[in-house]
Amino acid sequence: EVQLLESGGGLVQPGGSLRLSCAGSGFAFDFSAMSWVRQAPGKGLEWVSAISADSRGREYADSVRGRFTISRDNAQNTLYLQMNSLRVEDTGFYYCAKRYGGAKDYWGQGTLVTVSS
Amino acid sequence: EIVMTQTPLSLTVTLGQSASISCRSSQNFVHSDGSIYLSWLHQRPGQPPRLLLHKISDRFSGVPDRFSGSGAGTDFTLTISRVEAEDVGVYYCMQGTHFPHTFGGGTKVEIK
Repeated sequence: EVQLLESGGGLVQPGGSLRLSCAGSGFAFDFSAMSWVRQAPGKGLEWVSAISADSRGREYADSVRGRFTISRDNAQNTLYLQMNSLRVEDTGFYYCAKRYGGAKDYWGQGTLVTVSS
Repeated sequence: EIVMTQTPLSLTVTLGQSASISCRSSQNFVHSDGSIYLSWLHQRPGQPPRLLLHKISDRFSGVPDRFSGSGAGTDFTLTISRVEAEDVGVYYCMQGTHFPHTFGGGTKVEIK
């Protein structure tokens, strides 16, 4: 069974940092491209970042480029999102998702990031 | 950035009837491999999204055949036949051909 488990969310002040993790199991993590997608409270889905299976390819939404860094450790089956210079508008649930061609076939339960003073 | 526009914003459907949701993109998004990476997702309240269809009309594993997709170019449609109570929630279209991947704003489906 494919499982994705996010962790690392929490309350942080504007300008602060957080590191999200996503532990994958039940599939060939080291052969799977992965993504982060976020959802502000009561709002729709927003793609944040993606990384190829071998980490050579990394993409970011304009809204986070230069502040967020996606990475992965295939030996640990874990995906990361380092978030710096956090803003109030970064508040929301952050989901990791496994890429399936041009789709996202499995999603974690999400971790809540709250940026507030 | 490719903008995905969904209509309607919300939909109330009678159990057993059909529902259709439209998704229009601001431009074509054919991948260099020839595929159109248009997918549909369903999100129930308090749950993460789950994949229903990919490449316009291919049902993901375990998805009932009540869900079907169609379309080409910049216009796509999700059709739910014989709506059941478990179909409530928000439906999103997404293009995964070009970065940034982009989602429609969502269509909320309620049961009458």
